[in-house]
Amino acid sequence: DAGVTQSPTHLIKTRGQQVTLRCSPKSGHDTVSWYQQALGQGPQFIFQYYEEEERQRGNFPDRFSGHQFPNYSSELNVNALLLGDSALYLCASSYAGEGYTFGSGTRLTVV
Amino acid sequence: KQEVTQIPAALSVPEGENLVLNCSFTDSAIYNLQWFRQDPGKGLTSLLLIQSSQREQTSGRLNASLDKSSGRSTLYIAASQPGDSATYLCAVLMDSSYKLIFGSGTRLLVRP
Repeated sequence: DAGVTQSPTHLIKTRGQQVTLRCSPKSGHDTVSWYQQALGQGPQFIFQYYEEEERQRGNFPDRFSGHQFPNYSSELNVNALLLGDSALYLCASSYAGEGYTFGSGTRLTVV
Repeated sequence: KQEVTQIPAALSVPEGENLVLNCSFTDSAIYNLQWFRQDPGKGLTSLLLIQSSQREQTSGRLNASLDKSSGRSTLYIAASQPGDSATYLCAVLMDSSYKLIFGSGTRLLVRP
């Protein structure tokens, strides 16, 4: 049973560019959340998607946007990249209040 | 506003020791609490999930307890091994929210 799959694993982008990260949830899960983790910190909630709608959003600017597809997979888009956007981006999936399952993350470096 | 604190920030112990990691939270209106393990540069691996109505959960050498009234959870690791070296994170899910709120983690080193 595949867990949460994220792609790509690593990414280097230039300041001002745009990036798209992808996530496939664990089989049977219908909810996808995205988190940003800076070095040495706990993950910070970006937003959660359920039934193809953004259900809740954290304290992140509108440059961060997302999408959920009918097969429950999701994308995270970040526009106008800043150096401070460099972080590990984690996707988590869940179903009906059961615990969250995280993927291995995408390491984004903005130069 | 919920705040989650983990103490200590770092811990170094010799192999074989039993150890306790602490997690505290300021708002007791939680839905559940989850403990995760994170290896350097990797994603999070779920260790234990405790629902708000439960007092503890066990998996192998791991035991997690929850005391909502005092805003505390502990993760007990028995007979620690070098392979247990990692960062351990606790996270709470509030009754009124869908987001996990994380502590900053405890970085554990188990020395051979």
